[in-house]
Amino acid sequence: GAVVSQHPSRVICKSGTSVKIECRSLDFQATTMFWYRQFPKQSLMLMATSNEGSKATYEQGVEKDKFLINHASLTLSTLTVTSAHPEDSSFYICSASGLAGGQADTQYFGPGTRLTVL
Amino acid sequence: DQQVKQNSPSLSVQEGRISILNCDYTNSMFDYFLWYKKYPAEGPTFLISISSIKDKNEDGRFTVFLNKSAKHLSLHIVPSQPGDSAVYFCAASARGSSNTGKLIFGQGTTLQVKP
Repeated sequence: GAVVSQHPSRVICKSGTSVKIECRSLDFQATTMFWYRQFPKQSLMLMATSNEGSKATYEQGVEKDKFLINHASLTLSTLTVTSAHPEDSSFYICSASGLAGGQADTQYFGPGTRLTVL
Repeated sequence: DQQVKQNSPSLSVQEGRISILNCDYTNSMFDYFLWYKKYPAEGPTFLISISSIKDKNEDGRFTVFLNKSAKHLSLHIVPSQPGDSAVYFCAASARGSSNTGKLIFGQGTTLQVKP
């Protein structure tokens, strides 16, 4: 149980285009989903927290107009990188929490999406 | 301000021996701690967690110890296996606050288990 998927796993796009990344909890209802990015050889940096049906809460320094987050259902959250630039190239990882009973406070992570902006 | 610190960037142990990964934190509001294992280009995999009301939690080859007075936790893997080679992240959360379960991650420790 507690499986989280991400799509796509890898995307290459041109500068100025927008990219949408999907995060799905496959076998549980995720009341909260989180979006992280990881630069090479660095830790995971939280970008934003989203609860189903409400606006995402962004971490300091993260542009909410650039990184659009939608959490429309208890199993799906999307991150859209708008007008992507090469400096947005990174590894984006989502996580989900809300497993009924048991590890309710544990975040379960998706496999990540490698974004490369040319 | 690094609230969760893993001061050892790497650790190398022999197969069959014990691996001890350490983590320190500064925020006394943290009350839930987790260890994740991560391979390159993959998402972290949850290993084990511990609540601040406990000082030890064991799951198979993995044991996490928490020393609240020292604000220190450690992950013991015994016996270590080559497949354990990965980056290990500790993470902390302040569930008692209204931070919506946000996790703060350490920098990670790369474990290499030699056959």
